[in-house]
Amino acid sequence: DVKVTQSSRYLVKRTGEKVFLECVQDMDHENMFWYRQDPGLGLRLIYFSYDVKMKEKGDIPEGYSVSREKKERFSLILESASTNQTSMYLCASSPVFGGNQPQHFGDGTRLSIL
Amino acid sequence: AQSVTQLDSQVPVFEEAPVELRCNYSSSVSVYLFWYVQYPNQGLQLLLKYLSGSTLVKGINGFEAEFNKSQTSFHLRKPSVHISDTAEYFCAVSDRRGGSNYKLTFGKGTLLTVNP
Repeated sequence: DVKVTQSSRYLVKRTGEKVFLECVQDMDHENMFWYRQDPGLGLRLIYFSYDVKMKEKGDIPEGYSVSREKKERFSLILESASTNQTSMYLCASSPVFGGNQPQHFGDGTRLSIL
Repeated sequence: AQSVTQLDSQVPVFEEAPVELRCNYSSSVSVYLFWYVQYPNQGLQLLLKYLSGSTLVKGINGFEAEFNKSQTSFHLRKPSVHISDTAEYFCAVSDRRGGSNYKLTFGKGTLLTVNP
């Protein structure tokens, strides 16, 4: 089974802090994704990566950046955290040519910005 | 661009009753279709997918969905639900063209609550 592991289940940070959310997958997948999930809004794509050091903006990239230095690891960075970034963050991965391939999700990180 | 509409944000049902969760999509190109389930405090897991062939697809836990191209719908059904089916369900589509077009577009989710 594919395993997508997010480093923290719960995280509390303060406004203005630089925040790192880490995600690791163990199935050698080319594609990795970061979503945020908010009640009533479903999942919205922040960034995705289709190869090491490659990234593309999703639907809501403002206030976020990403890093993919190794194939198995995809990091989401909040450069200066704000209260409106309080949310559930989900990481996912899928194989290459993934249009017909399901994405595999981690258990999520619930981030609170105070 | 694609969009997905889940017509009901919440669906309460009694145990052993049938259930249908509705999903309509809009797209200028052909799509693949997925249903995911999210149990409390967990990530999403794949329930079923429609790629091609028979329009009736069967998934895990007794769920099935029917693709209707003329109505651009992909409704999820289960003939008899259990308490353990209580979860949020997400419909999603992706572009068949491939390349970098393998992003998923999700609906806003339907919370299914099964009561005893």
